[in-house]
This record gives sequence, C-alpha cells and structure tokens, in this order.
Amino acid sequence: AQSVAQPEDQVNVAEGNPLTVKCTYSVSGNPYLFWYVQYPNRGLQFLLKYITGDNLVKGSYGFEAEFNKSQTSFHLKKPSALVSDSALYFCAVRDIRNSGYALNFGKGTSLLVTP
Amino acid sequence: SAVISQKPSRDICQRGTSLTIQCQVDSQVTMMFWYRQQPGQSLTLIATANQGSEATYESGFVIDKFPISRPNLTFSTLTVSNMSPEDSSIYLCSTVEGLGTEAFFGQGTRLTVV
Repeated sequence: AQSVAQPEDQVNVAEGNPLTVKCTYSVSGNPYLFWYVQYPNRGLQFLLKYITGDNLVKGSYGFEAEFNKSQTSFHLKKPSALVSDSALYFCAVRDIRNSGYALNFGKGTSLLVTP
Repeated sequence: SAVISQKPSRDICQRGTSLTIQCQVDSQVTMMFWYRQQPGQSLTLIATANQGSEATYESGFVIDKFPISRPNLTFSTLTVSNMSPEDSSIYLCSTVEGLGTEAFFGQGTRLTVV
C-alpha cells in the first residue's frame, strides 16, 4: 500500500530560522507526493507536489521540498519561518488503488513558529 | 484550480439524527472524494463518488451509515446517519483535476454529536 509517515507530532521553530517538517514514504512504483497545510477552522490548502523531474520542488508561500529516492523522504522546508506559518502540515501520497486519485495522508505535524 | 463550496461549515447534532453535507464544485469533475478527520487525527478516505454509479467505500465505511449521492458532475452529498458522539469529526470533500496531479478540498464541515 502507498503510505507516508510523519515522525514528528510537533515542530517548534523561532521566527526567522529555517524549518523542516519530515516525511518518509513507502510506495510501489513512482510516488506522487504532496504537502498540504491546514489552518485552524480551514480546509486543506495545497503547498506543493512531486510527480517527476527535479528533486527540489518549490511551492506556495516560500515552501519547498526535496524528494530523496535513496532515503525515501520528502521533507518540507522553508529558509526563514514566519509566525503565520504556524499550522498543521500533512504529507500525502497518491493511492494507486481503485481510481488511483485519492490520497493517503500522514498523521500530520503541528508547526509552531514563535516570535 | 477547482473551487469547492461545502456546507454547512459546522453543526451540532443530537445523537440518533442524520446530517447531510453538501459539496458544490465550480467546474465539472469526474471524481469526488469524501474524507473524515477525527479529532487530532489525519484524514481518512470514506468513499469515492462517481457520477452515474454507486460510491465506492473504503474498508470500515458502509453505505447505510454514510450514504452518498452524486447527481451530476458538480455536486455531491454525504449523509452521516444515526449519529453517535464517535461521529464527531471534520468531514471534507475533495476533487482532482487533470491527471490527478493536484487535489482540491472544501473548507470542511465540523460536526459535533451530543
């Protein structure tokens, strides 16, 4: 089964410092990987995706992620964190069963950026 | 990108009653998905709703509990039937565009069953 794991329940970062939110994947075949962010009382917002091509993917709000096949990782990064980045972050992988278009999500990582 | 309007945004319901959640997409889409996010948990796929056919349910979810309608290519409903406090969750609808390389989500319905 296609799955992702987020090993950290919470990540704390000081504003202005770089941040990393970790994600590892377990898939058969080529992975379609995604990062979403969820702000309180809001739906999920798309940040970025890796389908193929460059291993470094740039997304919304200054976020980027690096696809590492040898380490089966897809960590989310940002060079300089903002307090407004505080939210719940989900890594997801496309599920190849059935229609092949649903997503399997990690458990989520809560990011807290302190002033 | 698809814009999804979902309603209600939240509701508090009595146990034993049912709630129907509506999801409207601003464009025609083939597939729509319903997810559940239990408190402090990740998203779990409930079912895939295709227009003109019965929904496909994931393991642990049944049609009698979560009946789904998909009357056209822009609309779907999910009903949570005979609710219990364990059904208290956020329910989200979703769709994909193109080759499924990006998924879009509604704002979610925060359901509390008392």
